Amino acid sequence: QTVVTQEPSLTVSPGGTVTLTCASSTGAVTSGFHPNWFQQKPGQAPRSLIYDTSNKQSWTPARLSGSLLGGKAALTLLGVQPEDEAEYYCLLWYGGVWVFGGGTKLTVL
Amino acid sequence: EVQLVESGGGLVQPGGSLRLSCAASGFTFSTYWMHWVRQAPGKGLVWVSHVNNDEERITYADSVKGRFTISRDNAKNTLYLEMNSLRAEDTAVYYCARGGRVTGTSWTIDYWGRGTLVTVSS
Repeated sequence: QTVVTQEPSLTVSPGGTVTLTCASSTGAVTSGFHPNWFQQKPGQAPRSLIYDTSNKQSWTPARLSGSLLGGKAALTLLGVQPEDEAEYYCLLWYGGVWVFGGGTKLTVL
Repeated sequence: EVQLVESGGGLVQPGGSLRLSCAASGFTFSTYWMHWVRQAPGKGLVWVSHVNNDEERITYADSVKGRFTISRDNAKNTLYLEMNSLRAEDTAVYYCARGGRVTGTSWTIDYWGRGTLVTVSS
């Protein structure tokens, strides 16, 4: 049973910087897992932010970036805005199936 | 403008069946991977299944394997999910989502529908 683990919750102050991570129970996350990141606000469908580790969708704010960090996939938000408060999910490819992480609830306070 | 509109959700008894549809528009449907993702009430996202352009490559999450069938009709720009032997734990909003181009190199799931709610209860 493959498990993808994210921080359950994080809190950041407006204007601050926060990094969300995504770990695999199988070992280090590499580019071959094709990490994707999604944002979901209450009552809305998910919205794609990052694909293939660090590629941004056309609508992704420049202050968001994806990377690999210490064997995990990472999503960094710079200059956090109140509208960044949301649930964030990572998604990893396991050579046949995709698996979502459990999500990180980001609070801007 | 890319649009994905799911339909077919509703209330079904345990052991019953349901067929979801996803009408796609605004892009060349026949050239993209397509996915189903679900979300139980108050819970996280769960990837369910995907299909390539000609249905030659299809995979499922273990939780639905043998019970759910994904298919597509490129002439009708429509994606389907046939769900059989439904259980209470299948209760969720089911989202249709667009993947990358079949001939491309982007491993993305970029556009999502608004979802359709499936409730399995007696």
